[in-house]
Amino acid sequence: GQNIDQPTEMTATEGAIVQINCTYQTSGFNGLFWYQQHAGEAPTFLSYNVLDGLEEKGRFSSFLSRSKGYSYLLLKELQMKDSASYLCAVPYNAGNMLTFGGGTRLMVKP
Amino acid sequence: EAQVTQNPRYLITVTGKKLTVTCSQNMNHEYMSWYRQDPGLGLRQIYYSMNVEVTDKGDVPEGYKVSRKEKRNFPLILESPSPNQTSLYFCASSVTQANYGYTFGSGTRLTVV
Repeated sequence: GQNIDQPTEMTATEGAIVQINCTYQTSGFNGLFWYQQHAGEAPTFLSYNVLDGLEEKGRFSSFLSRSKGYSYLLLKELQMKDSASYLCAVPYNAGNMLTFGGGTRLMVKP
Repeated sequence: EAQVTQNPRYLITVTGKKLTVTCSQNMNHEYMSWYRQDPGLGLRQIYYSMNVEVTDKGDVPEGYKVSRKEKRNFPLILESPSPNQTSLYFCASSVTQANYGYTFGSGTRLTVV
């Protein structure tokens, strides 16, 4: 089966940098997604990594190491609006299904 | 505007009373799916559909039914709701498969009493 582990909660200060880690186990790797979800709202797409390395997109970057089954999401210049849950997800079953980790709730403090 | 539309947003119902949550997408996506989200358990996949008349079970299908008679619509049916189906439900669609990334609907908060 698939297994995804993320920290449950993190706290960081406005303007700082935070790294949210995700470890996964899956058969037949088909990439890894990061989604952002504000409380009571739908998840929104942040990034998709299929090759090893760091991909940067503005203040957000995502890193993948397939050999280690490891990814992280890096948020720079934190803003209060970044307070949300961050969900790591991996496809499986030949890409027909998507399983999510429990999510990491990030609280940004002034 | 490209979107996935779910209705209703909120629903309170009684045990055993059949209900349907509708989901419609306007992006001509082939793939659609339903998830439920519960505290401490995250998002769990209920059912998915690869195309019209093609549906399959996800990780937690018990107590749910779906249909895909048209490409744009993918309703979730609870024939006899029970309190353990109280949850936040999300419909999602993707171009062809889950590994192309999802567009999510706004969610339906269901309470079964």
